Amino acid sequence: EAQVTQNPRYLITVTGKKLTVTCSQNMNHEYMSWYRQDPGLGLRQIYYSMNVEVTDKGDVPEGYKVSRKEKRNFPLILESPSPNQTSLYFCASSLYSPWAASGEQYFGPGTRLTVT
Amino acid sequence: EDKVVQSPLSLVVHEGDTVTLNCSYEVTNFRSLLWYKQEKKAPTFLFMLTSSGIEKKSGRLSSILDKKELFSILNITATQTGDSAVYLCAVSDQTGANNLFFGTGTRLTVIP
Repeated sequence: EAQVTQNPRYLITVTGKKLTVTCSQNMNHEYMSWYRQDPGLGLRQIYYSMNVEVTDKGDVPEGYKVSRKEKRNFPLILESPSPNQTSLYFCASSLYSPWAASGEQYFGPGTRLTVT
Repeated sequence: EDKVVQSPLSLVVHEGDTVTLNCSYEVTNFRSLLWYKQEKKAPTFLFMLTSSGIEKKSGRLSSILDKKELFSILNITATQTGDSAVYLCAVSDQTGANNLFFGTGTRLTVIP
């Protein structure tokens, strides 16, 4: 089954403790992206990757890191989480850029992160 | 700064009603507009629009783009309780930044 998986689905952590949220897709997609979703602010893009070893900042990259060593995986790293990073995080992938021919982006199930 | 505004914020209708959701945008160099449906989980893709005046249709859902007036509408006819969700609009531009700008969504509730 074609899908995007994220782990963990729920995480409660403390300020300053490094964490990684994994994202994996099995569709051989080139484009992957991370979003955070907050009430009243909608989905905001954190980082995206056009292909292996190609990553770039989205709208709200501060406090986050990513890597794309393999096509299928795109982990999100919070080196020193802070309470303002409490949010719902989505990973997404598409064959090419989301505005290419099909435009279809597949989203993972989401990771709800709470930083105390 | 690029902006995507959706209206209304929230809408409650009865089954069988027809609804129209709005998305207006301000982007520097418009490339495409996308609609997503988000239930209690991840957003799922509905439509991508790039050209004015060409309606995209899928079952009871349809959408159209007006590039002159900078807006799009999403229509849902004969609504069902399963249409209850948040509908998200997103716009991409051609600045080379390769990212999407999302609106905050319209929450549709369809009651039996």
